[in-house]
Amino acid sequence: SQTIHQWPATLVQPVGSPLSLECTVEGTSNPNLYWYRQAAGRGLQLLFYSVGIGQISSEVPQNLSASRPQDRQFILSSKKLLLSDSGFYLCAWSGGAEQFFGPGTRLTVL
Amino acid sequence: AQSVSQHNHHVILSEAASLELGCNYSYGGTVNLFWYVQYPGQHLQLLLKYFSGDPLVKGIKGFEAEFIKSKFSFNLRKPSVQWSDTAEYFCAVIASGTYKYIFGTGTRLKVLA
Repeated sequence: SQTIHQWPATLVQPVGSPLSLECTVEGTSNPNLYWYRQAAGRGLQLLFYSVGIGQISSEVPQNLSASRPQDRQFILSSKKLLLSDSGFYLCAWSGGAEQFFGPGTRLTVL
Repeated sequence: AQSVSQHNHHVILSEAASLELGCNYSYGGTVNLFWYVQYPGQHLQLLLKYFSGDPLVKGIKGFEAEFIKSKFSFNLRKPSVQWSDTAEYFCAVIASGTYKYIFGTGTRLKVLA
C-alpha cells in the first residue's frame, strides 16, 4: 500500500534562517505531488505541485520554493524565513484521482 | 478562476441531529468533486468522491453527497450525526484533465454528546 511521509513534524526556526521540509511517497511511481499550507479558517492553499521529476508549478508567489529531485521526493524550501511563513504545511500525492495527505509539519517562525 | 465556497464555517449540532454542509464551486466544465475530513490530530482523509454517474454518492461512516450540476453544488449530508463526527470538513474540486485541486475554507463541526 502507499504511504506518505513528512518530516520534521514540528519545527521552530528564527526569522531569516533557511528551511527545508521533505516529503516522500512509498508504494507508487510517478505520483503527482503537492505542497499546501493550511491556515485556520482559510482552508488549504495550494503552494506548488509537480507532475514529474524537475517539473514544478508555483501557485502563489512568495518566499518559498519547491524541488523534486527524485520521483517520489518533494522538498519545500526557503532561503530566508519570514514571520508570515509560520503555518501548517501539508504534502499530498495523487495518482490522478483523489489526493492522499501526509501528517503535516507545524512550522513556527520566531 | 475556479473557486470553492463552503458557507458554513462553524456548525454545532447535538447527537442524532441531521447534517447538511453546503459546497458550491465555480467552473463551467467537467469536474471531479471530493469531501475530505480532518479529525482532531489526524491526517486529512477522503470521505467520498464524485467523478461521474449517479449524482448521489455514498462515502464512509454514513456520509453521502449529492452533485447538482445545475446548481454547481456538492452538499454533504448525514441523517444522524455522532459525537465522533466532530471534525473539520473540506470540499474540493478539480477540473477534469488538470492537476490542481481547489479546496474550500472548511467547516468545523462540533457534535455535542
